[in-house]
Amino acid sequence: QVHLVDSGGGVIQSGGSLRLSCVASGFSFRSYGLHWVRQAPGKGLQWVAFIRSGGIDTFYADSMKGRFTISRDDSKNTLYLQMNSLIPDDTAVYYCAKEEYSESPSFDHWGQGTLVAVSS
Amino acid sequence: DIQMTQSPSSLSASVGDRVTLACRASQNIHTSLNWYQQKPGKAPSLLIYAASHLQSGVPSRFSGSGSGTDFTLTITNLQTEDFAIYYCQQSQTAPRMTFGQGTRLEI
Repeated sequence: QVHLVDSGGGVIQSGGSLRLSCVASGFSFRSYGLHWVRQAPGKGLQWVAFIRSGGIDTFYADSMKGRFTISRDDSKNTLYLQMNSLIPDDTAVYYCAKEEYSESPSFDHWGQGTLVAVSS
Repeated sequence: DIQMTQSPSSLSASVGDRVTLACRASQNIHTSLNWYQQKPGKAPSLLIYAASHLQSGVPSRFSGSGSGTDFTLTITNLQTEDFAIYYCQQSQTAPRMTFGQGTRLEI
């Protein structure tokens, strides 16, 4: 059974840094691409970043590029999101999501989310 | 960037009803369209992928259709547990996959 557990969120001052983690189990972690998606309070879903299997290729939403870094440790079945220069607009629940590749790639499993609150 | 627009923003319905939710893409995305359900305080869950393929374990009262720019999610015989927010997502520009703003389905 696939399981993703997000952690690392908290309250942080504007300009600060935070590292989120997502520990996975129940599937061949190294074989799958993984995403981070966030959701501001009362708002919709926003794609954040993606890392391909193997960890070489990474992609970011424009508003996060240069501030956020996605990485993975396949030996620990863990996905990371390093967030620097945080601003209040980064306040959101952050979810990791496993990509299922098909004719339409989708997010077939999600973590429970971890809340990041950036204070000004 | 491909913009996804869902309509309506909210919808009231009753148990047993049949409802249709719409999603429009700003350009042709073929059948690169997924649907998710999100309940309060929970992560989203995948319902439909590739416009019309039912994800394993999802009840058959959910169905999706469409191609190009216009897509629909239909729920027949609404159940209490179906009242949630529904999001469409385009995967044409994967891995950058944008979501619609959501449709809230209320009793």
